[in-house]
Amino acid sequence: GESVGLHLPTLSVQEGDNSIINCAYSNSASDYFIWYKQESGKGPQFIIDIRSNMDKRQGQRVTVLLNKTVKHLSLQIAATQPGDSAVYFCAENAHAGGTSYGKLTFGQGTILTVHP
Amino acid sequence: NAGVTQTPKFQVLKTGQSMTLQCAQDMNHEYMSWYRQDPGMGLRLIHYSVGAGITDQGEVPNGYNVSRSTTEDFPLRLLSAAPSQTSVYFCASSYSALLGNTIYFGEGSWLTVV
Repeated sequence: GESVGLHLPTLSVQEGDNSIINCAYSNSASDYFIWYKQESGKGPQFIIDIRSNMDKRQGQRVTVLLNKTVKHLSLQIAATQPGDSAVYFCAENAHAGGTSYGKLTFGQGTILTVHP
Repeated sequence: NAGVTQTPKFQVLKTGQSMTLQCAQDMNHEYMSWYRQDPGMGLRLIHYSVGAGITDQGEVPNGYNVSRSTTEDFPLRLLSAAPSQTSVYFCASSYSALLGNTIYFGEGSWLTVV
């Protein structure tokens, strides 16, 4: 079946550095992608999303880039802080008949560790 | 997480027992769903509902039942617990099932089947 995966399972950075977390997806029909942050013992928390008609979207300290040609998206975190330490998941929102029923397909996750 | 409440937080079951994981949201969301998360894996969809009285299967529905008698509640029932159902369960909701609506997750329910 279709899946969404990540290149790197762990990423360690120094406080203040920029972080880049990568994600590959295999379903060429995917048209909506979401990044989630999950802290230990908690549920996933929405960070940012992007639709397939865009190649870049910016939020507060975060940017998501989408390259449909190679089916790859990335999450960039500027000036990474210790509070950014968490597991980051990319997710694809399954598309069905013109609407989406929120059937998210998740990647395995990347552990981001930020050192003070 | 705003508005999605799961109970219990932790539960230990014996093989063959049944139980219900509760999920409630107070945001008047149409869409609700249940995921399970296993070590080293992303979340996988069990069941979902696009509105009261409507449910459907996700990726891994076997061994679980759901119902949606009200907009607010979406309980997940384990019919006869098996060790393979040891996992962390997350309930999620969004305003509607349309593309782009933010999906909010609960805090999770840790289930161990012995």
